Amino acid sequence: RKEVEQDPGPFNVPEGATVAFNCTYSNSASQSFFWYRQDCRKEPKLLMSVYSSGNEDGRFTAQLNRASQYISLLIRDSKLSDSATYLCVVNIPAYGGSQGNLIFGKGTKLSVKP
Amino acid sequence: DTGVSQDPRHKITKRGQNVTFRCDPISEHNRLYWYRQTLGQGPEFLTYFQNEAQLEKSRLLSDRFSAERPKGSFSTLEIQRTEQGDSAMYLCASTHAGEQFFGPGTRLTVL
Repeated sequence: RKEVEQDPGPFNVPEGATVAFNCTYSNSASQSFFWYRQDCRKEPKLLMSVYSSGNEDGRFTAQLNRASQYISLLIRDSKLSDSATYLCVVNIPAYGGSQGNLIFGKGTKLSVKP
Repeated sequence: DTGVSQDPRHKITKRGQNVTFRCDPISEHNRLYWYRQTLGQGPEFLTYFQNEAQLEKSRLLSDRFSAERPKGSFSTLEIQRTEQGDSAMYLCASTHAGEQFFGPGTRLTVL
């Protein structure tokens, strides 16, 4: 099983649609979870961290299910400017409890059409 | 600009040549990461530094790759005897409070 798995898409949706992305991770010791956004030919940028209780930032909602080792991102009322690749990111803890390094999924491509 | 910077932004080289990339992190960030990204893939971890100490290296980092961060500030990534399979975007990131801030990357093309 790959360390972080995502549906690569592409997801083609009309403006205003609600779209959900899923991600699974293999390391049950992982403690930090993130969604990053990457525009074409640009560097990744943090969209939001994912907390155990779930968290919301405007039109974006992230959820974590530790038992199933599953993370989701929901985008409501999608905008043209949401078109990008969304990367699921999970930490691999290092010895001694430090954060260790981050493992990125391959990303899910979203295209929002007028 | 107080973000992460990388130099050069693009590098074209012939197979067998050595190349070196530089990353300048955000000044107060003590962790620095190197990643490699190819088309259609997410960034793949290569190595990271805590100040000047290199704490972890990926299995992807063959002996042709070496990274340094001698004074705990900027870092260099050197690839010796480049191969066509080394063609990729090389990304650097520095970390604060768990968030990684990426530089614009160096795009390497090996002919």
